[in-house]
Amino acid sequence: SYVLTQPPSVSVAPGQTARITCGGNNIGSKSVHWYQQKPGQAPVLVVYDDSDRPSGIPERFSGSNSGNTATLTISRVEAGDEADYYCQVWDSSSDHHVVFGGGTKLTVL
Amino acid sequence: QVQLQESGPGLVKPSETLSLTCAVSGYSISSGYYWGWIRQPPGKGLEWIGSIYHSGSTYYNPSLKSRVTISVDTSKNQFSLKLSSVTAADTAVYYCARRIQLWSPFDYWGQGTLVTVSS
Repeated sequence: SYVLTQPPSVSVAPGQTARITCGGNNIGSKSVHWYQQKPGQAPVLVVYDDSDRPSGIPERFSGSNSGNTATLTISRVEAGDEADYYCQVWDSSSDHHVVFGGGTKLTVL
Repeated sequence: QVQLQESGPGLVKPSETLSLTCAVSGYSISSGYYWGWIRQPPGKGLEWIGSIYHSGSTYYNPSLKSRVTISVDTSKNQFSLKLSSVTAADTAVYYCARRIQLWSPFDYWGQGTLVTVSS
């Protein structure tokens, strides 16, 4: 089955740029979606189809995907961005399964 | 505005069957889309359980497939999850969510409901 690998944690100072990676075999050929989850809350979609943003999500959130790595980039990080972030893909090669990455805890120093 | 709301027992005994329902408002399930369940054990990451198309086609996580049944009731505009032979490892917050196509993201989520497996 398809596996997505994320770093357990990323730390960044306010105002700096955070990059959260999501590794997978030839992930560049898939559409990657990213979710933000704050404690006690349901996940919220922040980037879909590699680099599109849902309405209401700040332009500070962006995404890219190539080769074996997809990346969520958060520019000008704010304290309110501290959360867990998950990548997700649809694996069409294995009976239409959904796969989530293990999640990355973003800490704003 | 589409809204999803999970309901069901918060405590289930080991070896029994966990049953949850997701009520949908603001959109008619019979009109289309995929409706799914995702769970999150305490302190851990998200795990996809399975999805159902409005017509009844189902897709399950292979690691849970032998124990999972997802069904849809268009007359009540809701869909359900049954997970049999539960153990403590099934203790988690269970979310229901919607996606437009198989390759789409989950764009609407329920608030989640905690189910504890314990005697």
